Formats: sequence, structure tokens, C-alpha cells
Amino acid sequence: EDQVTQSPEALRLQEGESSSLNCSYTVSGLRGLFWYRQDPGKGPEFLFTLYSAGEEKEKERLKATLTKKESFLHITAPKPEDSATYLCAVLNTGGGNKLTFGTGTQLKVEL
Amino acid sequence: ETGVTQTPRHLVMGMTNKKSLKCEQHLGHNAMYWYKQSAKKPLELMFVYNFKEQTENNSVPSRFSPECPNSSHLFLHLHTLQPEDSALYLCASSQDLSAGTQYFGPGTRLTVL
Repeated sequence: EDQVTQSPEALRLQEGESSSLNCSYTVSGLRGLFWYRQDPGKGPEFLFTLYSAGEEKEKERLKATLTKKESFLHITAPKPEDSATYLCAVLNTGGGNKLTFGTGTQLKVEL
Repeated sequence: ETGVTQTPRHLVMGMTNKKSLKCEQHLGHNAMYWYKQSAKKPLELMFVYNFKEQTENNSVPSRFSPECPNSSHLFLHLHTLQPEDSALYLCASSQDLSAGTQYFGPGTRLTVL
């Protein structure tokens, strides 16, 4: 059974204080690892898909990296508007398109 | 949020009521999904439809009844729900079942009294 564990559960940063969120996973065969951002009361917003170990993707202050066991979402010089819950999900190589999600990291960036 | 829309955004219902949630996607996708999101729990996949055909029912109680009349619309019919069914219900779509990326709607916040 696929599993995704995200840490920390919650993270409080000062504006400009860079940090990383972790997503550890076990999957029979990885077809893709996904990062989403979710604001309170809204649906998850797609950020990145990573397909193989060593791959990296960037978007503004966010950079996602992938190894064979985990993914990191690095946040460089965060701003208050980066405050949200960040969700990680994996898709295995089996049939269908069933994502397995973690419980998320709730990030708060303060002035 | 205009890619996948959901109505209503908020719903309060009694345990004996019957209500429906609606989802519409404007992305030209062929696969649609219903998820349940409860506090402190991962998103739980409920149903998957591909080209209007149900391909997955993730052991969902029969008080939840999905309907997919075409590839752009998805409904979730609710009847005789329990208070523990209170949650955020999310609809998502993807190009098809081989395309991993799913795009989500804003959700319906359901409260069962």
C-alpha cells in the first residue's frame, strides 16, 4: 500500500526565512509525485509534478526536488502570501489515476 | 478556479434530507473525481469516472450516489447522511486516467446536523 508522510505538520517562519518541507513516500513504483498548495476553504492548487529521482522544478520562491524516498519543497525568502497548507501526493505505476495524499504541512509566514 | 467549478460552496443539511453537489469542468478533460477532505486526514478518493463510466468506487457508503451524465459534469447525490459525513467535498478532473495531474475545484463545505 502506498504511503505518504509529510513533515513538519506545521511550520511558522518569519518573512525572508528560508526553509524546507519534507514528503517521505513508499510506493510500489512511482509514476509521479505532486505538490499542491491549499488555502483555507479552497481546493488544492497544482504546483509541480516530479517524475524521477534527481528532478527539480521551480516556480517563483518554490523549488521542488525528488529522491527515491522523499521530496522536498524549498521555500526561499518566503512572504506572508506563501502561507497555506502544502500537500504532497504520489501516483503509482498501477492502472488508473489514484493519488495517495499526505496530511500536509501548514505553513504560516509572519512579517 | 474557473477551470473546475462546484456548487453549492456551502451546504447544511439534516440527516433525513436529500441534496446534490454539482461539479463542472471547463478544461476539456475526460476523467473526473470526487474526494472527501476531513480535518487532519489525507484527501480520500471516493469515486472516479472516465469518459462518463465509473472506474472506481473506493468502498463508499451507498448514501453517497455519484452521477456523471457527460465528461464535463459530475454530481454527488446525498441522502440520509450522518454527522461524521461533514467535510469538504472536492471535485477534480484530469485529461484522462493516464495523465497524473488532477485539477481541483474549490469544494463544497458540507455540514450534517
